[in-house]
Amino acid sequence: QSVLTQPPSAAGTPGQRVTISCSGSSSNIGTNFAYWYRQLPGTAPKLLIYRNNQRPSGVPDRFSGSKSGTSASLAISGLRSEDEADYYCAAWDDSLSGVVFGGGTKLTVL
Amino acid sequence: EVQLLESGGGLVQPGGSLRLSCAASGLTFVNYAMSWVRQAPGKGLEWVSSISITGDTTNYADSVKGRFSISRDNSKKTLYLQMNSLRAEDTAVYYCATLAIWGTTGDYWGQGTLVTVSS
Repeated sequence: QSVLTQPPSAAGTPGQRVTISCSGSSSNIGTNFAYWYRQLPGTAPKLLIYRNNQRPSGVPDRFSGSKSGTSASLAISGLRSEDEADYYCAAWDDSLSGVVFGGGTKLTVL
Repeated sequence: EVQLLESGGGLVQPGGSLRLSCAASGLTFVNYAMSWVRQAPGKGLEWVSSISITGDTTNYADSVKGRFSISRDNSKKTLYLQMNSLRAEDTAVYYCATLAIWGTTGDYWGQGTLVTVSS
């Protein structure tokens, strides 16, 4: 059971906009930044969003992040087949004094 | 180009020990807090431990506290993870990373090293 809760799966068709949620608590997302990673099979995770809504250089503006209260969201617009991957949210947890990850969401492009 | 190269993984019996290393290149190692993150087969990401730039502050997940020890040698640009009293549930790919969550401008990951705990 992960500290941050994500839906196990999500799906969309090419060109569509999909949103992945990440629910936390006052000790993590509620008071700290949210981060989003994408992981392709057999590879290391790659940072998509940092500090709730900032994109590292090289990440397309199709990817956007937001935070409200104790939840964060990742939105992917103009869905492409190459977006099919596992997506994870992460945050620092003040109560645990550690980094917590969501359980991951497997995105399928239909 | 930034490279984080993990080594030291392998097969170990329950109760055994293993030391992982992560050699960094292409970045100013002393500017980055470093972390270990693991991923059990077919499972999600789990943060294991982090160490500050100077090495004087360390944090551990409850699941490994008292069994694992993180350290770094800035002169060798190398991160370590000493793993003792290993259990079957420690079986995972172990990644070293410079997580952006520590306020760094770069978020880099190694390719991972597989640790298998089995008799």
